[in-house]
Amino acid sequence: KNEVEQSPQNLTAQEGEFITINCSYSVGISALHWLQQHPGGGIVSLFMLSSGKKKHGRLIATINIQEKHSSLHITASHPRDSAVYICAALNYGGSQGNLIFGKGTKLSVKP
Amino acid sequence: DGGITQSPKYLFRKEGQNVTLSCEQNLNHDAMYWYRQDPGQGLRLIYYSQIVNDFQKGDIAEGYSVSREKKESFPLTVTSAQKNPTAFYLCASSLQLGTAFSYEQYFGPGTRLTVT
Repeated sequence: KNEVEQSPQNLTAQEGEFITINCSYSVGISALHWLQQHPGGGIVSLFMLSSGKKKHGRLIATINIQEKHSSLHITASHPRDSAVYICAALNYGGSQGNLIFGKGTKLSVKP
Repeated sequence: DGGITQSPKYLFRKEGQNVTLSCEQNLNHDAMYWYRQDPGQGLRLIYYSQIVNDFQKGDIAEGYSVSREKKESFPLTVTSAQKNPTAFYLCASSLQLGTAFSYEQYFGPGTRLTVT
């Protein structure tokens, strides 16, 4: 079982829909990253959060440390939001931290 | 503009040859990382470096080597010992004030390596 699980694996939405991508993790973490990977492969960091909620434009990320769960929401989705969304949990094991990546959620937004 | 560059974008090599992937950053970041991405899998850490002239193995370091002679450069060599070198390779960097992974990571555009 992967330590970081994302759902769904694939998601197709119509433009304007509200989208939720979920991330669950089984390890103790101190922070969680949400990343966006575009079709060309480049990755952009969207959020890093350790509690509560963060908002940037139409993107909202929430985390519940006790429940070991985070969500990424996209409001008023647009075709340009089509990408793979990856969550990564920052786990402190041993003397150094480590980022454990989920496999990603592929989002396709249709016009 | 500040950022991370990786070159080339696509690289083709014959089996048995060593190949070096370039990664340069002008963000003045201390920490740099190399990840490998395979279809259907999450990113996996190959090597990371927290400071010049120092680097640490990640989860899948076998068959790879790195150097960190300059703050802005962290090249990755894929050696002939790497059994399945065909993959997408991503370089990243972050501030380093304490533990390397604590800060937001900035990623390069990646290099897609194909070995036949």
